[in-house]
Amino acid sequence: QLQLQESGSGLVKPSQTLSLTCAVSGGSFTSGGSSWGWIRQPTGKGLEWIGYMYHRGTTHYNPSLKSRVTISGDRSKDQFSLNLSSVTAADTAVYYCARVVVVAGAHVYMDVWGKGTTVTVSS
Amino acid sequence: SYVLTQPPSVSVAPGQTATITCGGNNIGGYSVHWYQQKAGQAPVLVVYDDSDRPSGIPERFSGSNSGNTATLTISRVEAGDEADYYCQVWDSSGDHVVFGGGTKLTVL
Repeated sequence: QLQLQESGSGLVKPSQTLSLTCAVSGGSFTSGGSSWGWIRQPTGKGLEWIGYMYHRGTTHYNPSLKSRVTISGDRSKDQFSLNLSSVTAADTAVYYCARVVVVAGAHVYMDVWGKGTTVTVSS
Repeated sequence: SYVLTQPPSVSVAPGQTATITCGGNNIGGYSVHWYQQKAGQAPVLVVYDDSDRPSGIPERFSGSNSGNTATLTISRVEAGDEADYYCQVWDSSGDHVVFGGGTKLTVL
């Protein structure tokens, strides 16, 4: 059974870069043309999509975050990462990684989620 | 950017049917997906492609989509169904995922 586990710094200073990693287990990072993504949720608020990457490297990002976001993968370690630069308090949230199902380009949804990790931006 | 509108809250008595709507301009032309998020937990996919259920999701959960409204229906509601529910589409014009604002389902 596929499982995802987020890890990374839980506290980031303003203007610095937030870095998180998602470890894939019970399946392969490259299997079945898989895609992998990140979603976040500020406390008490709704879900916000950050972006996703196809395992071969193609990426799609939320237009509102695109200038600050990089999602990349490491096939050798079966993991993928999120970097979000120039963070502010508004980036404080629970960050989730997820497997993204992409069919025919227009059917895109997240079928497996990690448990989430809390990131706080504060000096 | 494409906008999805959900009612902030829906209340229903146990055993009754809950209906959660997701409004969007010509949403019937999109593929809609639904997630359930219980307090303190990660979201779980409950319906994909308008009306399909992932393995392990009870038949009580069903979806439909037409015109400007997509609907998640939960039949014979149980206390354990109390959660936030989010609809989601892929906005192909902008190449990005869009979530609705979420609906809190309260079981009375």
